[in-house]
Amino acid sequence: TQLLEQSPQFLSIQEGENLTVYCNSSSVFSSLQWYRQEPGEGPVLLVTVVTGGEVKKLKRLTFQFGDARKDSSLHITAAQPGDTGLYLCAGAGDTGKLIFGQGTTLQVKP
Amino acid sequence: AAGVIQSPRHLIKEKRETATLKCYPIPRHDTVYWYQQGPGQDPQFLISFYEKMQSDKGSIPDRFSAQQFSDYHSELNMSSLELGDSALYFCASSLGTVPLRDEQFFGPGTRLTVL
Repeated sequence: TQLLEQSPQFLSIQEGENLTVYCNSSSVFSSLQWYRQEPGEGPVLLVTVVTGGEVKKLKRLTFQFGDARKDSSLHITAAQPGDTGLYLCAGAGDTGKLIFGQGTTLQVKP
Repeated sequence: AAGVIQSPRHLIKEKRETATLKCYPIPRHDTVYWYQQGPGQDPQFLISFYEKMQSDKGSIPDRFSAQQFSDYHSELNMSSLELGDSALYFCASSLGTVPLRDEQFFGPGTRLTVL
C-alpha cells in the first residue's frame, strides 16, 4: 500500500517568514502533485513534478521532487496572509489514482 | 478556461435513500476520477474511468456504482445511503496519456449530507 506522510500538519507563522512542507513515502510515484484547497472547495492544482530531482518555481513557491521520486517538498519564501490555506501533496500510482498526504494547514499572520 | 462541473453542489438525503452525483470533465479530457473526502480528512480515491471503461477501483462500497458515458461525463450512483456516507465528493478529470494522466483537475465537489 502506497502511503504519503506530509509534515508538518499545522504551521502558523508571521508574514514574511519562510517555510517548507515535506511529503515523504517509501514508494516510488510516477509523478507528484501539489494542491491547495480552501474549505468546502475542490483542490486546486499548483504543480506537477515528474522527473527525479526536478525543481519547479511558481512565484514565491518552489517545488522539488526527490531524486528517487519518493519524496517532495514545497518551500514558500516570504509568506503572505494570502498563502493561508490547506496544502496537499498527492502521488500518482500506476493507474493514475492519487494518493494524498494528510495535508498541511498553513496560517500566515499579518 | 473551462473547469470540471459537478452537480448538484449540495444534496441532503435520508438514510436508505439513493443519490446520483454528476460530473462533467474539462473538454477533451477522457479520464474521470471520483474521490470522497470526509471532514478533516484527505481525499480518498473511489473509482476511475478512461475512455468509458473502468480503469481502477478503490475503497468504494458495493452500494455505490459509477459509469462514464459516451460524452465522457460520469455519474456516481449511491444506494442505501448511510450516515457515514456524508462527505464531500469530488470528481477530477485529466487527459488519459501518461504523464498528463496524473495531472488531475478537480471540480468544486458535491456536499452530501445523509440524515
